[in-house]
Amino acid sequence: DTAVSQTPKYLVTQMGNDKSIKCEQNLGHDTMYWYKQDSKKFLKIMFSYNNKELIINETVPNRFSPKSPDKAHLNLHINSLELGDSAVYFCASSQQRGGPIQETQYFGPGTRLLVL
Amino acid sequence: DQQVKQNSPSLSVQEGRISILNCDYTNSMFDYFLWYKKYPAEGPTFLISISSIKDKNEDGRFTVFLNKSAKHLSLHIVPSQPGDSAVYFCAAAAGGTSYGKLTFGQGTILTVHP
Repeated sequence: DTAVSQTPKYLVTQMGNDKSIKCEQNLGHDTMYWYKQDSKKFLKIMFSYNNKELIINETVPNRFSPKSPDKAHLNLHINSLELGDSAVYFCASSQQRGGPIQETQYFGPGTRLLVL
Repeated sequence: DQQVKQNSPSLSVQEGRISILNCDYTNSMFDYFLWYKKYPAEGPTFLISISSIKDKNEDGRFTVFLNKSAKHLSLHIVPSQPGDSAVYFCAAAAGGTSYGKLTFGQGTILTVHP
């Protein structure tokens, strides 16, 4: 009973293709995130959804589009894949209550994307 | 423009000794700090956190120290165990309006030798 799951775990594709990564959490959390870990190993936030509403949208090319069909799912669709999109993408979730305390974010195992 | 930096890419420690992992930040708006641990092929898992109103937080073998004036925090692991070998990420957040936005450092690989 994995808390945050991602599919697929590995994704190898050609430049120019469109692909999706799926994320599901069974923790009952109201906030979900997408992070990208690049070749320099920095984890950078891309998007955050709270109750299916987009609340964080970092400077990400508009080829990346998140979709949240419900609170338990946050999918990431990438159009026209480029070589520089190769990275590990992590999904996370938390129960945000506001205020100064940052609620613990629970991460999925990551999706390793390789664009050839 | 990396606002959170972990300047040591790796650290090697003998089992039973202390491991000290360091993290520096530049954004004075950060007021909450976290450490995450990551094993290969897994996602990061939360380890310990500290609010800027404190300078120390302890949880078992793990202690985090915060020096606000120096914009520096450190994670102490005592005693270190081989199972602690992993990548450790420092992360920071800026207040309750950040909606959970965490800014991560690039990680430090800790190896604990038996």
